[in-house]
Amino acid sequence: SSELTQDPAVSVALGQTVRITCQGDSLRNYYATWYHQKPGQAPVLVIYDKNNRPSGIPDRFSGSISGNTASLTITGAQAEDEADYYCASRDSSGNLRVFGTGTKVTVL
Amino acid sequence: EVQLVESGGVVVQPGGSVRLSCAASGFTFDDYTMHWVRQPPGKGLEWVSLIIWDADNTYYADSVKGRFTISRDNSKNSLYLQMNSLRTEDTALYYCAKDIDPYSSSSNFDSWGQGTLVTVSS
Repeated sequence: SSELTQDPAVSVALGQTVRITCQGDSLRNYYATWYHQKPGQAPVLVIYDKNNRPSGIPDRFSGSISGNTASLTITGAQAEDEADYYCASRDSSGNLRVFGTGTKVTVL
Repeated sequence: EVQLVESGGVVVQPGGSVRLSCAASGFTFDDYTMHWVRQPPGKGLEWVSLIIWDADNTYYADSVKGRFTISRDNSKNSLYLQMNSLRTEDTALYYCAKDIDPYSSSSNFDSWGQGTLVTVSS
């Protein structure tokens, strides 16, 4: 199976832009999905199929991919964006799914 | 409104067995791939298993393969996870989750339950 690696933590000033990255070999062949999770709550889908947002997700969230690295960008971070963020994708075989190690985003 | 409600979480001894259930409503259950995802206390998410909409194909994470069995009963709108030979490292909150599109299988889970806690301890 493949691994998806994320930075453990990032911080961003209120209203500024932050980029969260997810690195893994399988991302050369498969899209990344992004979730956020607040304490005591289930994960919420934020970005899928590289840069699609489900209904209800603000357009300050966007996704991109370059080589083996997927990125989630929050443009104009809000206090409510403080959460753990996880990427996900398929493994190198394409049959299994894998989550990234997670990034804790703090909004200052 | 889509609802996923897990049940069956329990405290069990190492080597024991547990069967989790997930009751689904608000969508055409038998059109969707379903997944189990777990989260150990204070740790990250781990994908566990998936079952295709018609139950013809199932897949498992290496960490549970040969010990866990995923199944579904489309007539009851229910998803199951039979967990055998449990280990302390299986202690986690277990979520069921729904794939975003019908007749597809992706890493895009648009609906999640609130989870059910399995604790493996002697």
